[in-house]
Amino acid sequence: DSGVTQTPKHLITATGQRVTLRCSPRSGDLSVYWYQQSLDQGLQFLIQYYNGEERAKGNILERFSAQQFPDLHSELNLSSLELGDSALYFCASGPVAANTEAFFGQGTRLTVV
Amino acid sequence: GENVEQHPSTLSVQEGDSAVIKCTYSDSASNYFPWYKQELGKGPQLIIDIRSNVGEKKDQRIAVTLNKTAKHFSLHITETQPEDSAVYFCAARKNNNNDMRFGAGTRLTVKP
Repeated sequence: DSGVTQTPKHLITATGQRVTLRCSPRSGDLSVYWYQQSLDQGLQFLIQYYNGEERAKGNILERFSAQQFPDLHSELNLSSLELGDSALYFCASGPVAANTEAFFGQGTRLTVV
Repeated sequence: GENVEQHPSTLSVQEGDSAVIKCTYSDSASNYFPWYKQELGKGPQLIIDIRSNVGEKKDQRIAVTLNKTAKHFSLHITETQPEDSAVYFCAARKNNNNDMRFGAGTRLTVKP
């Protein structure tokens, strides 16, 4: 158990809908990272937050957004969902901004039908 | 930005043999190189990492080597066991940039 909690574990929704994925980082970690993993694909970095502020941005679509709250949990919002958005979404956390280790949650499997 | 390439994409070895996975990176400023193991239905788990001031690091049956000049690093697993079967990802990151880039992954199968 990495200490990073993601909910829900599974999510099935229709095209055009909007969903919110939630991540609780390890106790004491200030950084939260979001990754997308499509079927048989690698991990694509989406976005990182550090202590409530956006720190780095990767290949995140404009339809997607994220935020980190004062209690350090983070949410990834996916809107106008398309079939191609079906993937595993992972959250990872680390202690400081310019950190080394990142610990991953178990992921949320999103299926868009 | 950083580009990480990983080879091979699949690797099958007999139990007890060694397995080697190689990665190359493009940004010479990268200085942190972790390896993750992802088992079916689980999130990636950090298994070993190396920083650019070190050429080699070992942890029991797992070792990582880094060649900064050539910009490549490798994961070595000795005396492989069936429970080593998983997808392994390498990654690279610069110290002042938290955009950690991952390789495409290697699916390792250890046959009993």
